Amino acid sequence: KAGVTQTPRYLIKTRGQQVTLSCSPISGHRSVSWYQQTPGQGLQFLFEYFSETQRNKGNFPGRFSGRQFSNSRSEMNVSTLELGDSALYLCASSLAWLAGVRNSGELFFGEGSRLTVL
Amino acid sequence: QKEVEQNSGPLSVPEGAIASLNCTYSDRGSQSFFWYRQYSGKSPELIMFIYSNGDKEDGRFTAQLNKASQYVSLLIRDSQPSDSATYLCAVRGLSSASKIIFGSGTRLSIRP
Repeated sequence: KAGVTQTPRYLIKTRGQQVTLSCSPISGHRSVSWYQQTPGQGLQFLFEYFSETQRNKGNFPGRFSGRQFSNSRSEMNVSTLELGDSALYLCASSLAWLAGVRNSGELFFGEGSRLTVL
Repeated sequence: QKEVEQNSGPLSVPEGAIASLNCTYSDRGSQSFFWYRQYSGKSPELIMFIYSNGDKEDGRFTAQLNKASQYVSLLIRDSQPSDSATYLCAVRGLSSASKIIFGSGTRLSIRP
């Protein structure tokens, strides 16, 4: 069973540009979450999508956006890049968190997209 | 106050000893608790999850949960050099239950 696939793995951008990252979840997983990981801040939650709807959002500026397609694949976009956006962006998929079902929603991570902003 | 707090370490433990990793969380209504391991340059991988108070054992790993104290821990028995990694505690809260929040991680080093 294929794991979570993220593309591109590495990319270099300059300030002011925008970037789009892609994530293909494990087959059958309908929930996709995105995290930003930096040495100073650790893993910070960006947003979570389920059935093409954003279910939750972290405390990031509006420059960070995402979407999910009908096949559960997800993209995130960062516009007007800043130096501080340099980070590892991790996508994680899960079957789904379902209200009232305790043993649900464990995250499985992709290898990440490492973004460097110059 | 951070939602999920961990000691950043590094925690150095001799090979064969028990490594004890701790985590506290702020949302009293939190439902699910996870431990992830992350090797340098790699993505996090799930080690264990726990939902109920008490202990849960899986091989050399034991997760302990105390909801009254808002405390979760991970014990690694018979520590091996391959256990050297950063261990991330993660919590699914009650108020935004579709979101899993991570601690900043504890760096564990097993010395031969």
